[in-house]
Amino acid sequence: ETGVTQTPRHLVMGMTNKKSLKCEQHLGHNAMYWYKQSAKKPLELMFVYSLEERVENNSVPSRFSPECPNSSHLFLHLHTLQPEDSALYLCASSQSDRGPNSPLHFGNGTRLTVT
Amino acid sequence: RKEVEQDPGPFNVPEGATVAFNCTYSNSASQSFFWYRQDCRKEPKLLMSVYSSGNEDGRFTAQLNRASQYISLLIRDSKLSDSATYLCVVNIRFSGGYNKLIFGAGTRLAVHP
Repeated sequence: ETGVTQTPRHLVMGMTNKKSLKCEQHLGHNAMYWYKQSAKKPLELMFVYSLEERVENNSVPSRFSPECPNSSHLFLHLHTLQPEDSALYLCASSQSDRGPNSPLHFGNGTRLTVT
Repeated sequence: RKEVEQDPGPFNVPEGATVAFNCTYSNSASQSFFWYRQDCRKEPKLLMSVYSSGNEDGRFTAQLNRASQYISLLIRDSKLSDSATYLCVVNIRFSGGYNKLIFGAGTRLAVHP
């Protein structure tokens, strides 16, 4: 059982659709992350929220829009995506004040297919 | 140059074999190091942290060489259940108090009977 829950598990959307990915962590952590994992490529960090403030945005296209309403919830709003955006989107959390050895805890991921 | 480089494999080994994975990283500001394990179509899970003095967890031994910016993972007495992709991860901690983990592309291990 994971302390980080992502919904939906699978999503198929057309390029003109708008959808949102949801992540919820039950670990009491204060930092949350969105990663993208494409086939045969390393995980790419997209966004980091620490204490509900966005602290990193890794040159992600504006068709991806994150939202962190509180320390337990994280959303990724999607609109007018491209087929190359098809990937596994992973949410993670950590406790930032535990220092550099604080590991990430990942959710199960949302497998996104853009048609 | 990739920030974290790993041999993609696959490493195909028989049960009981010893196998070693290597990883190099480019950012000398990296402060902490991990090995994660990822099963097919699943999320990554922490296998072990890597400490400067080297550390062991059962059949798994991790080593770090900061001067060479090199990390290794040794698996002894391989089990079928060890089949997975092993991700080398380095962490850079920022002044805002958050951690930025950089992942390698992973090394795939297949253990066969």
